[in-house]
Amino acid sequence: DAGVTQSPTHLIKTRGQQVTLRCSPKSGHDTVSWYQQALGQGPQFIFQYYEEEERQRGNFPDRFSGHQFPNYSSELNVNALLLGDSALYLCASSLAGSGTGELFFGEGSRLTVL
Amino acid sequence: AQSVAQPEDQVNVAEGNPLTVKCTYSVSGNPYLFWYVQYPNRGLQFLLKYITGDNLVKGSYGFEAEFNKSQTSFHLKKPSALVSDSALYFCAVRDITSGGYQKVTFGTGTKLQVIP
Repeated sequence: DAGVTQSPTHLIKTRGQQVTLRCSPKSGHDTVSWYQQALGQGPQFIFQYYEEEERQRGNFPDRFSGHQFPNYSSELNVNALLLGDSALYLCASSLAGSGTGELFFGEGSRLTVL
Repeated sequence: AQSVAQPEDQVNVAEGNPLTVKCTYSVSGNPYLFWYVQYPNRGLQFLLKYITGDNLVKGSYGFEAEFNKSQTSFHLKKPSALVSDSALYFCAVRDITSGGYQKVTFGTGTKLQVIP
């Protein structure tokens, strides 16, 4: 049973650039959530996608955008990168009909902005 | 709004001793509560959850958690700590009245250090 997979695992960008992170959910899951985890902090909710639509969003600027594809995979895009965007970006999948919303996480994409 | 507080940044315990990692929560309705563990440079792994029913929930690797509605707490416990339990632990909450929206809010994490 394939778990949540994320790519790339590590990447380095410079200020002002744009980045795209990718996520494939656990087999059978239809909901993808993205979290940002800065060093030494807990995961912060960015947004959640279900049925190819963003249905909840955390306190992140419009520079953060996403997409969900018909196969339930998802992308996180960040434009005009800032130094403060350096973090571990975690993708988590869940099943909308499960009720509990238990999340299954990928290993994350570590973004360094120079 | 929903929130989670983990009052201890770090907990140190001797191997073989019982451990407790504290968590309190705030939701407008009834909660779903979760504990996750994170090893260095890894994603989060699910440990256990409270949905309803028995206030003592058992999970992976011998961990358990006690739900206390009056104190709005969900402390993580283990009767006998192992060195391999050393990791970062996150408490998380979801308000079940959020309907189809499944936003889960995490605490700031507690680093558990088990001393040989």
